[in-house]
Amino acid sequence: GQNIDQPTEMTATEGAIVQINCTYQTSGFNGLFWYQQHAGEAPTFLSYNVLDGLEEKGRFSSFLSRSKGYSYLLLKELQMKDSASYLCAVLNAGNNRKLIWGLGTSLAVNP
Amino acid sequence: KAGVTQTPRYLIKTRGQQVTLSCSPISGHRSVSWYQQTPGQGLQFLFEYFSETQRNKGNFPGRFSGRQFSNSRSEMNVSTLELGDSALYLCASGTGTGGMGTEAFFGQGTRLTVV
Repeated sequence: GQNIDQPTEMTATEGAIVQINCTYQTSGFNGLFWYQQHAGEAPTFLSYNVLDGLEEKGRFSSFLSRSKGYSYLLLKELQMKDSASYLCAVLNAGNNRKLIWGLGTSLAVNP
Repeated sequence: KAGVTQTPRYLIKTRGQQVTLSCSPISGHRSVSWYQQTPGQGLQFLFEYFSETQRNKGNFPGRFSGRQFSNSRSEMNVSTLELGDSALYLCASGTGTGGMGTEAFFGQGTRLTVV
């Protein structure tokens, strides 16, 4: 089967750094996405990785290792507004190509 | 540029009824995907449409159906509603073909409650 695993919950302190891991097993691979979803709102796009390595975008960075089926989202200089659910999704391959989603990691940022 | 618009935002229906949800994608986007989101199951893929054709379908019963119009607007229909259909239904639009391309833009969702 196809599955995406990420921790259910994480807690961090304002100003700190947090790393949210994601491991995946899918039928083929066409890219990995990270989305942020605040309670009661729509998911919003954070990052996309299709090649191995680190993609940096401001306070957020995302890393991918295709050989290990592994990604992480790194959030630096945490702010209270970063408290949200972070969703990892993989675009699989083949004729039935679609996004496979993890259940999300609920991050609580404390003062 | 307007975002993805879903209507209605909230809906309460009775078991056995049917419901139609609407999604207007971002102008120029031809791909529309529908998802069901529940706390226990996360985001579950329902189906994807591109240029009025269903390109992909998830593992949902036949009570769930959809369509896409020539202006790329999409509707999904759920017949014979069950309590377990209570969820947030999200629509996402993109430019990709046979997939969501490199980014999917989500609407605010329709919160459906079945009583």
